[in-house]
Amino acid sequence: EPEVTQTPSHQVTQMGQEVILRCVPISNHLYFYWYRQILGQKVEFLVSFYNNEISEKSEIFDDQFSVERPDGSNFTLKIRSTKLEDSAMYFCASSAFTLDGGGAYHAQYFGPGTRLTVL
Amino acid sequence: DAKTTQPPSMDCAEGRAANLPCNHSTISGNEYVYWYRQIHSQGPQYIIHGLKNNETNEMASLIITEDRKSSTLILPHATLRDTAVYYCIVYTGRRALTFGSGTRLQVQP
Repeated sequence: EPEVTQTPSHQVTQMGQEVILRCVPISNHLYFYWYRQILGQKVEFLVSFYNNEISEKSEIFDDQFSVERPDGSNFTLKIRSTKLEDSAMYFCASSAFTLDGGGAYHAQYFGPGTRLTVL
Repeated sequence: DAKTTQPPSMDCAEGRAANLPCNHSTISGNEYVYWYRQIHSQGPQYIIHGLKNNETNEMASLIITEDRKSSTLILPHATLRDTAVYYCIVYTGRRALTFGSGTRLQVQP
């Protein structure tokens, strides 16, 4: 069964450094997302991406964050200058627009996450 | 997207059915009910979704009331591996999923 994959599984970085988190969405999916989960807190939406542009972003997704689909398979999240409070699990997800008898739906499929630790 | 209400925690005996309720009284006509779960710190896992009819797949069944204001996720034979936080989310799709606190299901041996 197709899966979303993410690399690395764990990233440790120093405050102020840039990090790039990588995701390979499910191959026929066209919608891509990043979420994060700070330890002990809820899963929070960061950004969604469709047709090579950001379609929605949250207040968390400020100028320090950027996303890119550099080729036909990868989807990346870059944090330019990491802060201590960026320490979290980062989840990538992808979805396909699917029609069924009741209308259209999007089930988002999540990757296993990257644990980012900022020291 | 409509707000949902779920009990914070539930217990279930292994091998028994787990019935997880969700209230979504403000759901609108084009919103689907989705269920996800998160096992420990893993990525959320899609379980099932429905619009107005009851649905069943290999993982679970979803019962939606006729007025669509509430639903129940049923795990027919819960195992220890079903211990997780279960999220009921209503939304129209393509946009962000909004995760609440969910229901922490503990399956007891």
